[in-house]
Amino acid sequence: NAGVTQTPKFQVLKTGQSMTLQCAQDMNHEYMSWYRQDPGMGLRLIHYSVGAGITDQGEVPNGYNVSRSTTEDFPLRLLSAAPSQTSVYFCASSLLGGRIGYTEAFFGQGTRLTVV
Amino acid sequence: KNEVEQSPQNLTAQEGEFITINCSYSVGISALHWLQQHPGGGIVSLFMLSSGKKKHGRLIATINIQEKHSSLHITASHPRDSAVYICAVIGLPGGQFYFGTGTSLTVIP
Repeated sequence: NAGVTQTPKFQVLKTGQSMTLQCAQDMNHEYMSWYRQDPGMGLRLIHYSVGAGITDQGEVPNGYNVSRSTTEDFPLRLLSAAPSQTSVYFCASSLLGGRIGYTEAFFGQGTRLTVV
Repeated sequence: KNEVEQSPQNLTAQEGEFITINCSYSVGISALHWLQQHPGGGIVSLFMLSSGKKKHGRLIATINIQEKHSSLHITASHPRDSAVYICAVIGLPGGQFYFGTGTSLTVIP
């Protein structure tokens, strides 16, 4: 089935541990992005990519790393987990439409991460 | 600063009521999305629009580009409509999403 596959769904980490959240899409979307969602706040952009080999920082990039070696995959790495990174993380993808505008955005199911 | 403001933050309605959720934004955009997030967390895109009006079942979304405002209407609301509704805009020129904080809707039978 076409869509965005995000794993894992839940994760508990100890402070200082590292991990990678996986995100894959099979719709040939150029634009992929990672967000975190915290209570009382809108989704905030961590990093995004407009195509393979191209990544850029969003609003809250510190403590996170990304790469885009293929169109399909856009993993998010937590380098040294901190309690402040306890959040729900979403990956999303969409086509880049240039002057036409963007098509529908597709979201992964979310990862609930707890850092203790 | 919030590029996208939604109102109300919380809304409780009786089943069958007509519901309106508003979204105002302050940046130039190429498109606006209305998203739905159910308890349990998954996010689904309801509409993507850049002008005018779209309708899908009992849901209607409108946008006024000049006024930088969009509304999401739900006709004949039902308890299964209970969710958080999020307005998101795609800003120009960079193409980044800006999100509202969401409207939590509860529809009571």
